[in-house]
Amino acid sequence: QKEVEQNSGPLSVPEGAIASLNCTYSDRGSQSFFWYRQYSGKSPELIMSIYSNGDKEDGRFTAQLNKASQYVSLLIRDSQPSDSATYLCAVKGDSNYQLIWGAGTKLIIKP
Amino acid sequence: DTAVSQTPKYLVTQMGNDKSIKCEQNLGHDTMYWYKQDSKKFLKIMFSYNNKELIINETVPNRFSPKSPDKAHLNLHINSLELGDSAVYFCASSQAQPEITGGYTFGSGTRLTVV
Repeated sequence: QKEVEQNSGPLSVPEGAIASLNCTYSDRGSQSFFWYRQYSGKSPELIMSIYSNGDKEDGRFTAQLNKASQYVSLLIRDSQPSDSATYLCAVKGDSNYQLIWGAGTKLIIKP
Repeated sequence: DTAVSQTPKYLVTQMGNDKSIKCEQNLGHDTMYWYKQDSKKFLKIMFSYNNKELIINETVPNRFSPKSPDKAHLNLHINSLELGDSAVYFCASSQAQPEITGGYTFGSGTRLTVV
């Protein structure tokens, strides 16, 4: 059974600091990785995708992928209270169309 | 305009009842999905349709039956509702394969409460 694991948190970070969210996956052959943000009572929304080893930056967000170690991380620079949400990691599953989801990490940014 | 819309947003019903949730997307996507999110926030795929054809049918009680009249619509009918069916159900869509095109677009969710 393919798995994606995340620390459920909550992860508490002071405003303005860097928030670091981690995700590990069990399938060494996985090729596509996604980070979704889900505010309380809302639907998940895609914030980053990454397919190659290394870093991918988009504004205050940086996704990092290390296929050898089978982890993907999300860094949020200059954290804002509006970044407080649950962050879901998703990895391509065995079949097409299917993503395997982690249970999410709850992030709290303290003013 | 809402990209993926599902109705109703809230659904409270008694055990044993039959209910339906409707979903429509105006993104022109080929593939639609139903996900269940439990109280621990874990997202679990239930079904997926690509151009009206069922392509993913996970281990879900046969009380759950999806129906896709066209590629823009995917409905979910649930028979004989049980307490354990209480969850948030999300409809989602993607263009072709999400692992290539960059993931899903989710609807706003239907919070189902069975009493």
